[in-house]
Amino acid sequence: GAGVSQSPSNKVTEKGKDVELRCDPISGHTALYWYRQSLGQGLEFLIYFQGNSAPDKSGLPSDRFSAERTGGSVSTLTIQRTQQEDSAVYLCASSLSPVISGNTIYFGEGSWLTVV
Amino acid sequence: AQSVAQPEDQVNVAEGNPLTVKCTYSVSGNPYLFWYVQYPNRGLQFLLKYITGDNLVKGSYGFEAEFNKSQTSFHLKKPSALVSDSALYFCAAKAAGNKLTFGGGTRVLVKP
Repeated sequence: GAGVSQSPSNKVTEKGKDVELRCDPISGHTALYWYRQSLGQGLEFLIYFQGNSAPDKSGLPSDRFSAERTGGSVSTLTIQRTQQEDSAVYLCASSLSPVISGNTIYFGEGSWLTVV
Repeated sequence: AQSVAQPEDQVNVAEGNPLTVKCTYSVSGNPYLFWYVQYPNRGLQFLLKYITGDNLVKGSYGFEAEFNKSQTSFHLKKPSALVSDSALYFCAAKAAGNKLTFGGGTRVLVKP
């Protein structure tokens, strides 16, 4: 597609429920990132995928958070047993190759998660 | 540890006046530096980046930024601000590994 696509755009869930957030990167982009933006906060790195390499999970805040990337394209971020502090905007991004080479990371519009 | 600092939470400027949004970084090795803008309820839009070469980088919507290695800064500038430039601006730098580290963001308010 023309840009990074994320769904759902908005999600309201009850505390304790599991949620799945989907990201479809720009076609041909091998690198995929998840970031979290809490209200009034900056951007927090969560996880990074590059091709078939093992993902960099160093930013995942707890074991309730997991992500996978199937077929080197679409990614799903799963939050189990959601808590109110998980309420945030979850931003997905992609780039042609790792940003280490200087390629631009392009962001989607985000999935706005509210845990009530 | 690698970090990016945006010392101003908010910048207020009158329309037509110059706009500057400050950014300093602490990144080992040669830095890759980026500016993004976020409009309300939207994702991040890429403005410009510095990889190598000319220290003055020009980007979208009339924005430019100057890389200053000695001061470890990458300030964003626009000669004449528009009301439509009101948004949240993020500076980012390549961190260890492959992820970008972002500054805390600066809210820009351009008044008519």
